[in-house]
Amino acid sequence: DIQVTQSPPSLSASVGDRVTITCQASQDINNYLNWYQQKPGNSPKLVIFDASNLETGVPSRFSGSGSGTHFTFTISSLQPEDIATYYCQHYDSVPYSFGQGTKLEIK
Amino acid sequence: QVQLQESGPGLVKPSETLSLTCTVSGGSMRGGAYYWTWIRQPAGKGLEWIGRVYTSGRTSYKPSLTSRVTISLDKSNNQFSLRLMSVTAADTATYFCARAELREDAFRIWGQGTTVTVSS
Repeated sequence: DIQVTQSPPSLSASVGDRVTITCQASQDINNYLNWYQQKPGNSPKLVIFDASNLETGVPSRFSGSGSGTHFTFTISSLQPEDIATYYCQHYDSVPYSFGQGTKLEIK
Repeated sequence: QVQLQESGPGLVKPSETLSLTCTVSGGSMRGGAYYWTWIRQPAGKGLEWIGRVYTSGRTSYKPSLTSRVTISLDKSNNQFSLRLMSVTAADTATYFCARAELREDAFRIWGQGTTVTVSS
């Protein structure tokens, strides 16, 4: 089974900061990686698909990059409404799996 | 606009079977090529992919759950279901149903989640 390791587990940043989260796959997964945002009490919401494609309706301050085993998720200018937990998820082969999550807080 | 809604008992006794249904509204399950998926999340923890059923009825499960889990389609009622046998406290979680497309395999549509507690 392919594992995805996400870091850091938590992150505190100020409004306007650039924020980066990383996801490392245990083997080459091409670009078969998605990123989700989950706010407390809500279902996850797709933000980035296929490693670097912005989901429709998602602000352009969100971006993703990477392929193979190393991926990054970036918020170019953190906004208060971005406070959430973010998860990466691979879909290279079943069983799919999610990263452990990164809880983003405002400093 | 397609929406998903989970339903089922909120409390299950240890060793019994957890049964949940996801009802699809705003579209028919008979059309398209989709993966109908179950995902769970223990309180305060991360997301765990449980398994899925494809439009054709073909299933895939997380290996550690394979011996206890069944996911099935009921296209006539626009539903799919999860059965998890022999539950323990470790199965206590919020259970989400979600849909992904064959061609763009990402969970764009999620149910709101239903919390299941395993306790006597």
